[in-house]
Amino acid sequence: DAGITQSPRYKITETGRQVTLMCHQTWSHSYMFWYRQDLGHGLRLIYYSAAADITDKGEVPDGYVVSRSKTENFPLTLESATRSQTSVYFCASKRAGGGRETQYFGPGTRLLVL
Amino acid sequence: AQTVTQSQPEMSVQEAETVTLSCTYDTSENNYYLFWYKQPPSRQMILVIRQEAYKQQNATENRFSVNFQKAAKSFSLKISDSQLGDTAMYFCAFMDLVFIIQGAQKLVFGQGTRLTINP
Repeated sequence: DAGITQSPRYKITETGRQVTLMCHQTWSHSYMFWYRQDLGHGLRLIYYSAAADITDKGEVPDGYVVSRSKTENFPLTLESATRSQTSVYFCASKRAGGGRETQYFGPGTRLLVL
Repeated sequence: AQTVTQSQPEMSVQEAETVTLSCTYDTSENNYYLFWYKQPPSRQMILVIRQEAYKQQNATENRFSVNFQKAAKSFSLKISDSQLGDTAMYFCAFMDLVFIIQGAQKLVFGQGTRLTINP
């Protein structure tokens, strides 16, 4: 199906484990983003990417790693999960072209770190 | 740094009523975009409406309209003839057009307002 998908939708892991959240979009959008959503904070940007092999930190990057070897995929890795990383994670994408272009969000991944 | 503030954590109205959600923002930039996103219980983030700061006219999308007051840095969302399906979290978001290293034009979100439409 066309659009932006995330997997898994739900994940439970333990402190110290490595976890990778997947994001895939079928539109060939240049930009992709990872946000986390926590109570009282709205959505905060973790990392973003302007194109394949170009990534940069957002507001809360510590403890996360991203890569973008292909335009359509933007995985987010928690190298050593901590309880404070329990959150809902959203991936988003948008076309190049300035602020007129809307960010499209995936359905989210709910992560629980025990 | 830009900030977005939604001062109403929760609101509740009866079906068919009109409701207004508040949003204020802080920026020194002159060119930017403002957005309202809806997040229903499914958790999907859905764009409701968008306003370009250089446009005087308030944006409208069917039952949704905004009151954009640039000098006051206020961007409220009005929902007319509210429906049960409007029940959701609503997020106000800001994007400035100042290009950073790769020109990503990042969104800054408010904390959200939980809106409940009662039958």
